[in-house]
Order: sequence, then structure tokens, then C-alpha cells
Amino acid sequence: GAGVSQSPRYKVAKRGQDVALRCDPISGHVSLFWYQQALGQGPEFLTYFQNEAQLDKSGLPSDRFFAERPEGSVSTLKIQRTQQEDSAVYLCASSLVGQGSYEQYFGPGTRLTVT
Amino acid sequence: AQSVTQPDIHITVSEGASLELRCNYSYGATPYLFWYVQSPGQGLQLLLKYFSGDTLVQGIKGFEAEFKRSQSSFNLRKPSVHWSDAAEYFCAVGVGGGADGLTFGKGTHLIIQP
Repeated sequence: GAGVSQSPRYKVAKRGQDVALRCDPISGHVSLFWYQQALGQGPEFLTYFQNEAQLDKSGLPSDRFFAERPEGSVSTLKIQRTQQEDSAVYLCASSLVGQGSYEQYFGPGTRLTVT
Repeated sequence: AQSVTQPDIHITVSEGASLELRCNYSYGATPYLFWYVQSPGQGLQLLLKYFSGDTLVQGIKGFEAEFKRSQSSFNLRKPSVHWSDAAEYFCAVGVGGGADGLTFGKGTHLIIQP
């Protein structure tokens, strides 16, 4: 079956622009996660959904970051008024909660460059 | 809060040689531990995980890892590396078994010499 997909794969934004990053999880996966990976660093947790409920947004770095998953499937991470420090790869992951393994399956990421 | 330390930023190994990548974690209770591999331009792929039970866990691609509670470590090993193993390796800890956000280390870049 299809894995986690993300679009666009690359995004260049001028400082101050708004961007929207999309994540299509594996069909049937209840949980969805967003991570930010700066160059040369490990991924850092941003936020987590179970179905359409956003259960944890403690990792969102500022109120310019907003995530939604209105129908419990596709999710969008929105960054308003982008800044240079927002340049990173944004990774989405999904998992099938309740199966005992809780493995998170990652998408290929969206590389955001803010100029 | 939990944390993960991967002390080695880069490791160079000859093809066919054995490999050990170090990972230390900080967490007050029994953690859920993971090793992921990331090839250039690719997402993260799970190599193996530890939840409970046998402290030596086997993963994909011939990797294994051993959980040592006394040392707060979860080191990744492979007896004989292949050129295709060159990648970035991340250790991660979860407190909900991966049902919540994972905390990753900074990664170890593995270089394979011919």
C-alpha cells in the first residue's frame, strides 16, 4: 500500500509569506505527527493528532505555526509570516494506534527554504 | 523531560567490518526506544524498537540493539556493514510507546570506506 506522502517536496518562500504543507497519512492510521528537522539535527516534535483531535501541540515553536486535521485524515501544517529560522525539513508521520507496536511511519518530508 | 544523546557525530567503518553506534537516554521510567535510519532525501525508516522483554532486539537489514538499563543505553550493532548502510542513524525515545511524539538524538552519520 501507499506510504505517507507529503506535498510539496520543496518549497521556497520569501520571508513574511505564509506557507501550507500537506500530509497524507497511511489510510486508516489514527495518529498523525509533525516534526521539524533543521539541517544537521534530529527531528523535533511539533504536534500530534489522534483522528481530528490535536492532543499535543507543545512543540510548536510560536503562534505562527498552526496545524489542522479537520476530517481525521489529511493534515496541513501552516506557517504564517515565515522567518529564516523556519527553514527546515518538515516531516509527517502516522501510526496505527492500538496494535501494540505504535510504529511511526514517516513521509519523505517537505524542505522549506525561507529567503 | 526525556532526552537522547548520540555521542558520535560521524563514524567511519570499512566495508565488512563490525559497527556499533552509541545511544544514551535520560528518562525516569522504562522508555520505549527506537532506531531509525535516514538516507539522503528520504524519510525515516524504522530499524528496530524496544518496548519490553528481551533486552536484545533484532531489526531489519541485519541490525540489532541491546537495552542496558544500568547504563541507560541502547546501542545499535551490525556484525558486517555493507556500502549501502551509509546513512544517518537516529536513536529516539518515546514515553507512550510511540503513541505520542518521539524525542530524537542529533544523529550519527555513518561513512563506509571501501
